Amino acid sequence: AQTVTQSQPEMSVQEAETVTLSCTYDTSESNYYLFWYKQPPSRQMILVIRQEAYKQQNATENRFSVNFQKAAKSFSLKISDSQLGDTAMYFCAFMSPNAGNMLTFGGGTRLMVKP
Amino acid sequence: ETGVTQSPTHLIKTRGQQVTLRCSSQSGHNTVSWYQQALGQGPQFIFQYYREEENGRGNFPPRFSGLQFPNYSSELNVNALELDDSALYLCASSLEGTKNIQYFGAGTRLSVL
Repeated sequence: AQTVTQSQPEMSVQEAETVTLSCTYDTSESNYYLFWYKQPPSRQMILVIRQEAYKQQNATENRFSVNFQKAAKSFSLKISDSQLGDTAMYFCAFMSPNAGNMLTFGGGTRLMVKP
Repeated sequence: ETGVTQSPTHLIKTRGQQVTLRCSSQSGHNTVSWYQQALGQGPQFIFQYYREEENGRGNFPPRFSGLQFPNYSSELNVNALELDDSALYLCASSLEGTKNIQYFGAGTRLSVL
C-alpha cells in the first residue's frame, strides 16, 4: 500500500515571497506519478503540477515547481512570487498505474498568503 | 473549469436513510473515480468506474455503491447512512489514454444527522 505524508499542517508566506511545501511518500512501485492539487474555499480540486517518476527533470508550471528526490521519496512544491489567490489547501497525491490509477492523498497543508 | 459538475452541492440526511449523489463529466471521460473527504483531511478513494464497470475499490463497505452511464454521468449511492458518512464527496473523471490526470468536481457536502 502507498502512503503520502505532509508534515506541515499550516504555513504562511508574505505576498511576492517564496514558499516550499513538503511531501514524502512510501511505495514499492517503480512506475508512478506524483501530483500537487490545490483546493481553495470553493472546494474544487485543481491540478497544480504533475511529475512522472521516470523523468529525472523536475516539473515546472509558471510560478510552481517541484523538487523530486526519488531515492528519498520526497516531492516538495515551491511557489515563487506568492499571490493572494494562492491561499488554499494543498494536497500531495500519488498514483500508480499498477495499483489501479487511484489517487492516494496526503493530509494537506493549509497555505495562507498574507498581504 | 474542469468540466466536471456535481449535484447537489449540499445535502442533509438522517441516520439510516439512503442518498444518491450525481456527477457529470466531459464527453470522452470514460473513467470516473469517487472520493470521500472528511473535514480537515485528504480525500480517500471510494471506487472507480471504467466504461460502466467497477474498476477498483478502496476500503469502503458494500453500502457504498455506484453506477456509470454511457452519457459520461455517474452516481454514488450510500445506503443505511451513518453519522461518520458526513463528508465532502468528490467526483473525478479522466480522459481515455490519460488516466493519470483526474479532473475534479466541486463536490457534494453531505451532512448526516
